[in-house]
Amino acid sequence: GDSVTQMEGPVTLSEEAFLTINCTYTATGYPSLFWYVQYPGEGLQLLLKATKADDKGSNKGFEATYRKETTSFHLEKGSVQVSDSAVYFCALLRYNAGNMLTFGGGTRLMVKP
Amino acid sequence: GAVVSQHPSWVICKSGTSVKIECRSLDFQATTMFWYRQFPKQSLMLMATSNEGSKATYEQGVEKDKFLINHASLTLSTLTVTSAHPEDSSFYICSASPVLGEQYFGPGTRLTVT
Repeated sequence: GDSVTQMEGPVTLSEEAFLTINCTYTATGYPSLFWYVQYPGEGLQLLLKATKADDKGSNKGFEATYRKETTSFHLEKGSVQVSDSAVYFCALLRYNAGNMLTFGGGTRLMVKP
Repeated sequence: GAVVSQHPSWVICKSGTSVKIECRSLDFQATTMFWYRQFPKQSLMLMATSNEGSKATYEQGVEKDKFLINHASLTLSTLTVTSAHPEDSSFYICSASPVLGEQYFGPGTRLTVT
């Protein structure tokens, strides 16, 4: 079945450091890929998405490129801020699978000033 | 746009009582709504999928008689936790889907059963 694997956290960085959170997936066909962010005590917010191979999703300085050859969708940001501290979830969706999202385990990011 | 609300945001109830959680899409119609459960520091676990006007589809291991889901309109779905017990304490999150491939999440409801 479908699965998403993320690097385990927590990831602790200093402000302005470079961020990479790894995400790899297993799925048949051509899923859409997503990154969601969850701030403490809140629900999930869509951060960015990519719907086909080589697409790059970007938002708020975050980027991720859909790499079908490596089945990866790594999240990057060039310079993190304290306000980026949150839990990040990678997810995939296959349109012929009932519109259901499959989530990775989540990666907690802590940014220190 | 694409705002989903949940009510209440936080509820405490006594063991044995029932609690209803509402999920509303405020500015769009959602043919499908999803209910998730999230334990502390863990990922989201899909509990059920509901389509307006039809019975919900529950994931394996989720008790349908305990977690009653109603999707009475295109903007409202409710989750009722019946005869709640302390092990039901969790963070419940809904999402609403206006079209295939899009899901918008509510802010979540924290349930504590004493």
